[in-house]
Amino acid sequence: QVQLVQSGAEVKKPGASVKVSCKASGYTFTSYGISWVRQAPGQGPEWMGWISVYNGNTNYTQKFQGRVTMTTDTSTNTAYMELRSLRSDDTALYYCARVVDWFDPWGQGTLVTVSS
Amino acid sequence: EIVMTQSPATLSVSPGERATLSCRASQSISSNLAWYQQKPGQAPRLLIYGASTRATGIPPRFSGSGSGTQFTLTISSLQSEDFAVYYCQQYNNWPPWTFGQGTKVEIK
Repeated sequence: QVQLVQSGAEVKKPGASVKVSCKASGYTFTSYGISWVRQAPGQGPEWMGWISVYNGNTNYTQKFQGRVTMTTDTSTNTAYMELRSLRSDDTALYYCARVVDWFDPWGQGTLVTVSS
Repeated sequence: EIVMTQSPATLSVSPGERATLSCRASQSISSNLAWYQQKPGQAPRLLIYGASTRATGIPPRFSGSGSGTQFTLTISSLQSEDFAVYYCQQYNNWPPWTFGQGTKVEIK
């Protein structure tokens, strides 16, 4: 079955960087893009950006421009999201999702906690 | 950016009753709308795409309707496992994608 499995929870200090992975299985990885979505505690989902696995093109929402980098490794069917210069308000669950036009499926989520 | 507005924020419903959730887009998105269900501690799960097409494995008590700017998700007879938060998402001319703030369906 189509599945996205993300890396485990992270605790980071303000100013640090985090890199979350998302391993895909059950479909042809290069045939679909991957989006990254974050969800702060008690809030709705917030789209962060998208990467075309086929050619590596990216599109990031303005809020994260300059702080986020999305990449893929087609040899391991894995997508990555790196967020730099972390702040306390970056504490959230981070999800990857396969892009059909809508998002399906989603990874299980990775909790990133930013605390001094 | 297209803004998605969901109402109500919270809906209190008894098991077996019908639930009607609304989602409005700030501009026309044709039928490019999806609905997701999220339970505590879980990732969102796709319920509906194309405004009215149920995703694989979604029971027929879930139905979606609407086009343009006004959309509705109806749960015909609420089961215990349906109490959750529901989000709408537009995917018209992506990127970007935008989500509503959610409707929490709680037990009355």
